[in-house]
Amino acid sequence: GQQLNQSPQSMFIQEGEDVSMNCTSSSIFNTWLWYKQDPGEGPVLLIALYKAGELTSNGRLTAQFGITRKDSFLNISASIPSDVGIYFCAGQVKTSYDKVIFGPGTSLSVIP
Amino acid sequence: EPEVTQTPSHQVTQMGQEVILRCVPISNHLYFYWYRQILGQKVEFLVSFYNNEISEKSEIFDDQFSVERPDGSNFTLKIRSTKLEDSAMYFCASSGLGYGYTFGSGTRLTVV
Repeated sequence: GQQLNQSPQSMFIQEGEDVSMNCTSSSIFNTWLWYKQDPGEGPVLLIALYKAGELTSNGRLTAQFGITRKDSFLNISASIPSDVGIYFCAGQVKTSYDKVIFGPGTSLSVIP
Repeated sequence: EPEVTQTPSHQVTQMGQEVILRCVPISNHLYFYWYRQILGQKVEFLVSFYNNEISEKSEIFDDQFSVERPDGSNFTLKIRSTKLEDSAMYFCASSGLGYGYTFGSGTRLTVV
């Protein structure tokens, strides 16, 4: 089945630094999604990407859908303490109503 | 913003007991889902539901699990005879036109 890999597994950064995390897949996805999860909460959608090559921003967040449809990255600029959490990349194979397949997550810690 | 609501937020049950987890999806959504997250692991798809029937299910969703939409607003997940390994966060999600794929805050199920 489809599998997603994320790197790095965890990150410790200073407040104000920029962050970059990656996601790769063994197969093609039609939609890439980036979620953030706070402890005890459900995943919250940060950015959705629908076209190969698409670059999308949401405030300090920027994500790109790779040309091959098998990878994506998420950048966070000027990190702040509330950026702490687990970031999941996820994909949908067919339509936007399809099941969401999640990666294993990148745990981000921000040191004030 | 519309929300997916899940109850209870935490349920403790004895091994072998039946549990029902409840969800109220976003009102005009037509696609409903259940996911599971074992502590410290990634979010895993269990089942999707559309037009009053299961549209897809994963290997995890065996005969012990069932879903139902008993009325126009609720969507439930039943585990017939709980096992210790069923302990996890269970997330409901819904999707449809106008507002995207949205997850609830989850129910933490603890089987003792």
